[in-house]
Amino acid sequence: DVKVTQSSRYLVKRTGEKVFLECVQDMDHENMFWYRQDPGLGLRLIYFSYDVKMKEKGDIPEGYSVSREKKERFSLILESASTNQTSMYLCASNKPGLLLAGELFFGEGSRLTVL
Amino acid sequence: AQSVTQPDIHITVSEGASLELRCNYSYGATPYLFWYVQSPGQGLQLLLKYFSGDTLVQGIKGFEAEFKRSQSSFNLRKPSVHWSDAAEYFCAVGVTGNKLVFGAGTILRVKS
Repeated sequence: DVKVTQSSRYLVKRTGEKVFLECVQDMDHENMFWYRQDPGLGLRLIYFSYDVKMKEKGDIPEGYSVSREKKERFSLILESASTNQTSMYLCASNKPGLLLAGELFFGEGSRLTVL
Repeated sequence: AQSVTQPDIHITVSEGASLELRCNYSYGATPYLFWYVQSPGQGLQLLLKYFSGDTLVQGIKGFEAEFKRSQSSFNLRKPSVHWSDAAEYFCAVGVTGNKLVFGAGTILRVKS
């Protein structure tokens, strides 16, 4: 089975702290994504990556950065956490290609609270 | 811009009753459409997808969805709901670059 693992299920941080959210997938997927999930807003794309060391901004990249040094690992970084970044963060991955596009495999999510 | 609208934030149905969750999309080209389900405390799981061909697609867990181009809709249906179907359901459209645009979600409650 495809497995996408988010290392932290629950985090509580203080305003201004630097936060790292880690995601690892074990299926050799080229594409990896970070989404933010908020009630009533659905999932919004923060950043995605098509390959190692490649990244592209999604719809809401402000306040976030990412790192992809290895194919299996995609990290989301909050340089200076703010209370409006309190949310559920979901990592996903898939293989490229037209027919496979969209069949995303998701991790269980990381719920971040910023105080 | 591409968008997905799920008009119902919450839906409550009785166990054994039929279910229809609505989804409307806005996308200029031929859409690739998806339904995902998120059980409490879990990530999202793909229920079904439409790329082309037969407009009625079957998915896992007894779900089906019908693509209607004239109405820009992709509604999800199930003939008889089980208590374990209680979850949040997301409709999504695939856009260029292997990305998905998601709707806001519909929370399904099942009463016994």
